[in-house]
Amino acid sequence: NAGVMQNPRHLVRRRGQEARLRCSPMKGHSHVYWYRQLPEEGLKFMVYLQKENIIDESGMPKERFSAEFPKEGPSILRIQQVVRGDSAAYFCASSPLSPGSSYNEQFFGPGTRLTVL
Amino acid sequence: GESVGLHLPTLSVQEGDNSIINCAYSNSASDYFIWYKQESGKGPQFIIDIRSNMDKRQGQRVTVLLNKTVKHLSLQIAATQPGDSAVYFCAVGGATNKLIFGTGTLLAVQP
Repeated sequence: NAGVMQNPRHLVRRRGQEARLRCSPMKGHSHVYWYRQLPEEGLKFMVYLQKENIIDESGMPKERFSAEFPKEGPSILRIQQVVRGDSAAYFCASSPLSPGSSYNEQFFGPGTRLTVL
Repeated sequence: GESVGLHLPTLSVQEGDNSIINCAYSNSASDYFIWYKQESGKGPQFIIDIRSNMDKRQGQRVTVLLNKTVKHLSLQIAATQPGDSAVYFCAVGGATNKLIFGTGTLLAVQP
């Protein structure tokens, strides 16, 4: 059973370009979470999605950032017009059950390291 | 809002010794707590979790202690090994299952 997959593992963009980060959850998982990690810091929650629904986007910047989890295919985190401050590691996690259940474990992918030049 | 912090940014231990990593949280209504291990260049790896109706839970070589009175969480690693060297994060489960992470403690195991 493959774990959470993220690609690309490393992404380099110039200021003003767009970055697309992809996440394929574990088989059977329908809940996806995106986190951002700056160097030597903890992970910061960005957004929680279920298939075709954004459940909680309280951690997403108001502009330039968007996320989707379509019925088919991976979840996408999209950053438009990237700036140097967007340079970070972006992690995706998936979970098998809904919040409020007795089992909330999130399984993390290896991350995408975004560098903005 | 919730905040989670760690008392020590780095911890250096001798191989074979026991390690204790501490964490404080601010929201007394929090009911789910998790410890993650993150090795360099990798994503966080689940170690152990505990719910607020418990004050202790044990795994293989690891024990998590929860003190709700002072809002403190600790991770104990028995007989620390070089492979335990990593950054350890505590996290608190939020309302929509989002995780609120602490800033991390680097555990360095000396041979």
